[in-house]
Amino acid sequence: AQSVAQPEDQVNVAEGNPLTVKCTYSVSGNPYLFWYVQYPNRGLQFLLKYITGDNLVKGSYGFEAEFNKSQTSFHLKKPSALVSDSALYFCAVRPAGGDGGATNKLIFGTGTLLAVQP
Amino acid sequence: NAGVTQTPKFQVLKTGQSMTLQCAQDMNHEYMSWYRQDPGMGLRLIHYSVGAGITDQGEVPNGYNVSRSTTEDFPLRLLSAAPSQTSVYFCASSYGLAGSETQYFGPGTRLLVL
Repeated sequence: AQSVAQPEDQVNVAEGNPLTVKCTYSVSGNPYLFWYVQYPNRGLQFLLKYITGDNLVKGSYGFEAEFNKSQTSFHLKKPSALVSDSALYFCAVRPAGGDGGATNKLIFGTGTLLAVQP
Repeated sequence: NAGVTQTPKFQVLKTGQSMTLQCAQDMNHEYMSWYRQDPGMGLRLIHYSVGAGITDQGEVPNGYNVSRSTTEDFPLRLLSAAPSQTSVYFCASSYGLAGSETQYFGPGTRLLVL
């Protein structure tokens, strides 16, 4: 079955330290991968996506993610965390359709709560 | 642009009642989706639409109906509410296929079914 996993329910990091939020996936074909962020009582906001090309993708608010095909991972990173980065982060993957073509569906992970302490 | 708007923000229903969750977008996006968010389960796709007059089922469609009479609006109807439908509901839209394009999410509707 095609799926995406976020192995950590919560990540704690001190302000100014680097942060990593992990994501692994299992899909057939070439994956489209996304990261979204959800602030309290808000809808999800797009951070970045990988479709093709350079394995290191840069996104909003200083975040970046590295696509690793051999490890089927797409970890979200930031060199220096801010207290304002505290939020719920979702990884999402596009599953291949029956014909291997693009679909209109995304599979979301269960989310990782990032807590940045001052 | 207002983006994606949802009404109401919060609703309490009794078991068996029906209601419609409203969703509208002003970005002329063809693709719209409804998700529900439950603790520990992430977002699950309920129904989606690839254009006016075209809808399809997602992962958890039972108990919900949708229609898409215009590009802007994509209402979600609960036919007979059940406690299992207590959740936060998000509407999203995108210019292209949701699997390829960035989705824009509304602020959500919190639904409590007693």
